Amino acid sequence: SQKIEQNSEALNIQEGKTATLTCNYTNYSPAYLQWYRQDPGRGPVFLLLIRENEKEKRKERLKVTFDTTLKQSLFHITASQPADSATYLCALDRAGNTPLVFGKGTRLSVIA
Amino acid sequence: DGGITQSPKYLFRKEGQNVTLSCEQNLNHDAMYWYRQDPGQGLRLIYYSQIVNDFQKGDIAEGYSVSREKKESFPLTVTSAQKNPTAFYLCATGGVGFTAQYFGAGTRLSVL
Repeated sequence: SQKIEQNSEALNIQEGKTATLTCNYTNYSPAYLQWYRQDPGRGPVFLLLIRENEKEKRKERLKVTFDTTLKQSLFHITASQPADSATYLCALDRAGNTPLVFGKGTRLSVIA
Repeated sequence: DGGITQSPKYLFRKEGQNVTLSCEQNLNHDAMYWYRQDPGQGLRLIYYSQIVNDFQKGDIAEGYSVSREKKESFPLTVTSAQKNPTAFYLCATGGVGFTAQYFGAGTRLSVL
């Protein structure tokens, strides 16, 4: 069955540094991958979508890469700020179906 | 949040009781989804619906029921058969295909 792993449950970094979060998947080839931000007690908020034929996508301080050979996506936040502290979820489409499959998330803490 | 309204924000269930969580959207999206989130866990799909009067089971449908009588509404009933209902429940909408999902603010269900 499809499996998604976000390698770190938690990640602490210093303000101003680049945060890099990893999402790995096995047993299928998704057509696209999405990243979401979730704050405590709130619903996730969509950040970026990248398709299988795209290597990289950027939005302001965010950058996502998608390597279908390695079956991995990297999510970067440059010049990180304490306000970036949240849980970040990756999600992939299911093979042949619409509903997304979500990873467990990585809780990012940016320390001032 | 945005055009998706979940109510109530907090809900308490007694033993043997069915409870219904409301989800209403004004985004005119075809697809609606219900997820369950437990502490430290990702989102697990309960049910989803892509058109009115039709819905499909997700990964953990046992003990839950839904209806989709209107495009705007997708209520979730947690039945007495669900023995471990305490969780954070999230409703989401989205188009079909390469589109983002939009989440409500969630309902936190606890057992008395």
